[in-house]
Amino acid sequence: ILNVEQSPQSLHVQEGDSTNFTCSFPSSNFYALHWYRWETAKSPEALFVMTLNGDEKKKGRISATLNTKEGYSYLYIKGSQPEDSATYLCASDDNYGQNFVFGPGTRLSVLP
Amino acid sequence: EPEVTQTPSHQVTQMGQEVILRCVPISNHLYFYWYRQILGQKVEFLVSFYNNEISEKSEIFDDQFSVERPDGSNFTLKIRSTKLEDSAMYFCASMVYETNTGELFFGEGSRLTVL
Repeated sequence: ILNVEQSPQSLHVQEGDSTNFTCSFPSSNFYALHWYRWETAKSPEALFVMTLNGDEKKKGRISATLNTKEGYSYLYIKGSQPEDSATYLCASDDNYGQNFVFGPGTRLSVLP
Repeated sequence: EPEVTQTPSHQVTQMGQEVILRCVPISNHLYFYWYRQILGQKVEFLVSFYNNEISEKSEIFDDQFSVERPDGSNFTLKIRSTKLEDSAMYFCASMVYETNTGELFFGEGSRLTVL
C-alpha cells in the first residue's frame, strides 16, 4: 500500500491571500494523482486528475501541478475566499484505478 | 446529477454484532470502493471491487470484512463481528475508468458507532 503524505496538516490564511500545499507520493509505478476538496459534512468532490509529468490543471482560482519523477504535486489557490475553507485531499493511484490511496489532507481555513 | 447513495447514515451497534453498510453506486460505473475515516485520522483505503470480485484490499480489510454486489446495483460492506475500533465513517465510492481520467464519486458516508 502506498504512503501518500501532505503538508501542511492545516493552514489558516486571510481572505485574498494566495496559498499552496503539497502532496508527495511514491514515484515508482505511478499512474495518476487526484486532488479532492472535502467540506465538512459532505462527501469529497473531485478537483483534478493528473497523469503526466509536468501536467498543470486549472479550475477557476485553483490550479495544480505534477512532478512524477520526484513524486510531488502542488495545489495552488489564488485569492482565497472563505468558501475555499475545506480539507484538500490528494490520492495516488498506482494500479489503474484499483488502488487509490489518500493522503491525510490539508485543512484550509480562510478567515474573512 | 447522478450520485452515490449510502445507507444507513448512522448506525449504532454493540461490539460483536454484524453490520451491513449499503451503497448504490452510479449506474454506469465499473469500479467500486470502500474507504473509512476514524475520527481525527486520515481516509483509509479498505477495498476495491471490479467485475464482481475484489481487485485490491488493504491490511485493514481482514477476514471480518466482506463485500458483495448481490443484485447488480447495491454494493455492500459487511463487518461480521464488530470491534470498538471499527467505529468510523465509512465511505463508498464508484468510478467509470476511462483512459487516464478516472474520477471517484463518493457517497456521503455511513457513520458506524460500536459500543
